[in-house]
Amino acid sequence: EDQVTQSPEALRLQEGESSSLNCSYTVSGLRGLFWYRQDPGKGPEFLFTLYSAGEEKEKERLKATLTKKESFLHITAPKPEDSATYLCAVRTGGSEKLVFGKGTKLTVNP
Amino acid sequence: DVKVTQSSRYLVKRTGEKVFLECVQDMDHENMFWYRQDPGLGLRLIYFSYDVKMKEKGDIPEGYSVSREKKERFSLILESASTNQTSMYLCASLRDSYGYTFGSGTRLTVV
Repeated sequence: EDQVTQSPEALRLQEGESSSLNCSYTVSGLRGLFWYRQDPGKGPEFLFTLYSAGEEKEKERLKATLTKKESFLHITAPKPEDSATYLCAVRTGGSEKLVFGKGTKLTVNP
Repeated sequence: DVKVTQSSRYLVKRTGEKVFLECVQDMDHENMFWYRQDPGLGLRLIYFSYDVKMKEKGDIPEGYSVSREKKERFSLILESASTNQTSMYLCASLRDSYGYTFGSGTRLTVV
């Protein structure tokens, strides 16, 4: 069974304090790993797609990386506006469904 | 820009009512999905549809049904609302390299 586990469940950082969120997965035939950002009371918003080990994507203070077993979302010098829940999901085999992790709630204090 | 629109942001319904949640996408996508999201449980798939009039059960279909009469519209129906169906409901369509595009969500409260 395909599984996605995110850690930590919650993370508190001071503004400017860099850190990483983890997404580990066990799947058969990865067709894509996705990162989303979700603000309270809203739908998730797309951040990145990664397809193969070694791939990296960057957007402002965020950088996503992928290995054969896990993905990291690195946050460099975060700001309070980066506070949100970050969701990881995978698409596998012949499925059109995504399998989601439960998310990491990030709080950045000024 | 691509869009998935959910008709209501907030709904309050009474126990036993029949509830309709509407979702419309403007991207001509074939695959559409309904999830509910609860604290500590994450996103759970209720139903999905891969074509007009085609549907498949997700992980938690009990108490729900769906309708897809047109490609752009996917409706979630709560046949007889119960308090344990109080939740955030999210509609999504599949957009290949972006994974899902989500709607803004409907916060449903059943009293």
